[in-house]
Amino acid sequence: GAGVSQSPSNKVTEKGKDVELRCDPISGHTALYWYRQSLGQGLEFLIYFQGNSAPDKSGLPSDRFSAERTGGSVSTLTIQRTQQEDSAVYLCASRSRQGVETQYFGPGTRLLVL
Amino acid sequence: AQSVTQLDSQVPVFEEAPVELRCNYSSSVSVYLFWYVQYPNQGLQLLLKYLSGSTLVKGINGFEAEFNKSQTSFHLRKPSVHISDTAEYFCAVSTNAGKSTFGDGTTLTVKP
Repeated sequence: GAGVSQSPSNKVTEKGKDVELRCDPISGHTALYWYRQSLGQGLEFLIYFQGNSAPDKSGLPSDRFSAERTGGSVSTLTIQRTQQEDSAVYLCASRSRQGVETQYFGPGTRLLVL
Repeated sequence: AQSVTQLDSQVPVFEEAPVELRCNYSSSVSVYLFWYVQYPNQGLQLLLKYLSGSTLVKGINGFEAEFNKSQTSFHLRKPSVHISDTAEYFCAVSTNAGKSTFGDGTTLTVKP
């Protein structure tokens, strides 16, 4: 595919369960970003990868959140012991070169924690 | 560290009127500036960006923005809006280190 893809598109889970969100960036893009967009809010930076390493994890809200990237491609954002306040749209973006290039966003995963 | 402030959370305008969406930023290092648009039920897409050179940049759909270094602003403008411009607009800054910071967004509502 030509764009960034994310799965699942929607996820409903019960409080306390773990969830995994997946992002497939554009082929060849070395930088990958995760953001959270809560209802009526802007984009909250979570973490970014350059290759497989994460130079900046400062946006992760708590130790329940973690992310990894393997093979310089697919990334997984994991939320453990989900809470209702985790409900949001989780957006992934990729970029071909850090700093100046445009970020290309995926459609997002809508997470609802009941 | 950098921050982005979008001064208006909501901007209602009538069709064919001009519009300006305001964005101010702060940063201790040089930044690159972007405007993204999110149409209802769609993902974010790039509207325009400033990297260097001319401070007036033109984007898609007739939008333009002017980088003002002294005022640390990057306001977005369009001389005549259409109903189809109704969307959420995000201003963002990015550094060479790779981190991006987005504003809280401005909801533009174009009324007939």
